[in-house]
Amino acid sequence: AQKVTQAQTEISVVEKEDVTLDCVYETRDTTYYLFWYKQPPSGELVFLIRRNSFDEQNEISGRYSWNFQKSTSSFNFTITASQVVDSAVYFCALSEVTGANSKLTFGKGITLSVRP
Amino acid sequence: GAGVSQTPSNKVTEKGKYVELRCDPISGHTALYWYRQSLGQGPEFLIYFQGTGAADDSGLPNDRFFAVRPEGSVSTLKIQRTERGDSAVYLCASSEAGGYGNTIYFGEGSWLTVV
Repeated sequence: AQKVTQAQTEISVVEKEDVTLDCVYETRDTTYYLFWYKQPPSGELVFLIRRNSFDEQNEISGRYSWNFQKSTSSFNFTITASQVVDSAVYFCALSEVTGANSKLTFGKGITLSVRP
Repeated sequence: GAGVSQTPSNKVTEKGKYVELRCDPISGHTALYWYRQSLGQGPEFLIYFQGTGAADDSGLPNDRFFAVRPEGSVSTLKIQRTERGDSAVYLCASSEAGGYGNTIYFGEGSWLTVV
């Protein structure tokens, strides 16, 4: 069975600090996709990144970067120079291979608070 | 519309009543999903539509829950004989196609409270 573990439940930082959100996953599939979503107080899940299991290159998008390590089944997310607007719940998710279904298994989320 | 649209945004209903939640996916997206999110938890899969048909309803908790997508666009999630444990945010999502790995885009959800 698929499983996503986000061991950190709440993180609080001061603006401009760097912060890393951890994600560890379990799957028996050799091919899979990993995602990060941001959920601000409005409730909408905002897509941040998708990464397939064959691409272990790290990715950087502005202040955001992702470190995918297949050897440790981790897909960690770092925010550099955090801002108050980064305050939200962040979810890591794993895409399960069930025929044509792109069903996602989510972790429990990490609540990030960035203080001015 | 530009994103996934859900109505109502909030619904309070009495235990035992029937509820319908509506979802309008991103234009052109053939795949549509319903997820449920309880407080402090990540979203959990309920059902997936490819076109008009429910391709995977393995996440529906019991037969009080049902969803339709009659014309392959708008979908309605229906809950009969609501129970207090049904209180959650019901999230609708869509993707361009249904194959695994496709990026799924979510709406803002419908907050359901059963009193």
